[in-house]
Amino acid sequence: AQTVTQSQPEMSVQEAETVTLSCTYDTSENNYYLFWYKQPPSRQMILVIRQEAYKQQNATENRFSVNFQKAAKSFSLKISDSQLGDTAMYFCAFMKQGANNLFFGTGTRLTIIP
Amino acid sequence: NAGVTQTPKFRILKIGQSMTLQCTQDMNHNYMYWYRQDPGMGLKLIYYSVGAGITDKGEVPNGYNVSRSTTEDFPLRLELAAPSQTSVYFCASRNRDRRNRYQPQHFGDGTRLSIL
Repeated sequence: AQTVTQSQPEMSVQEAETVTLSCTYDTSENNYYLFWYKQPPSRQMILVIRQEAYKQQNATENRFSVNFQKAAKSFSLKISDSQLGDTAMYFCAFMKQGANNLFFGTGTRLTIIP
Repeated sequence: NAGVTQTPKFRILKIGQSMTLQCTQDMNHNYMYWYRQDPGMGLKLIYYSVGAGITDKGEVPNGYNVSRSTTEDFPLRLELAAPSQTSVYFCASRNRDRRNRYQPQHFGDGTRLSIL
């Protein structure tokens, strides 16, 4: 089975600063997808960014970018110019290509301080 | 577009009772999923469906049943509620892959279920 590890249970950062959330995963697969989901207090799961393993270029979505290191099985999320609305739980997730099971990490609770 | 709608939002059950968590989507998505999220944990897949009439087990299916008689609806049934099933339940759906590119899952707002 695949495992996803998020080693930072909680983080906090001042508004407008940059923060990086860590994620490592364990798999023997070569083709897969990686995701970061945001879960605000409203509980809804919101896709932040995704990365296809076959792509060497790191994905970016506005203020969100990833550092994907396939050999190291590392997939960190960088949030630039952090905003109060970024306060949420962030989950890293893995899925094998062609499969249907998303494997989630245990999450990082991020608090943006005004 | 309503997206993925789950009902109820909250429910308290007694041990041994049964109930059905409803999930409906209006995006004509083929794939639908049920997850549970225990406190302080990520989501775990209970069951999924790749189309009407087809369902399959996920990582933690014991104690649950599903059906998929229509594209829109994917109810989750608990037959004999147990305290271990206290959790937040999420339904999700997604479209089939396009040009071999995975289409991401859209989640409902969740159902908080307590078994006492």
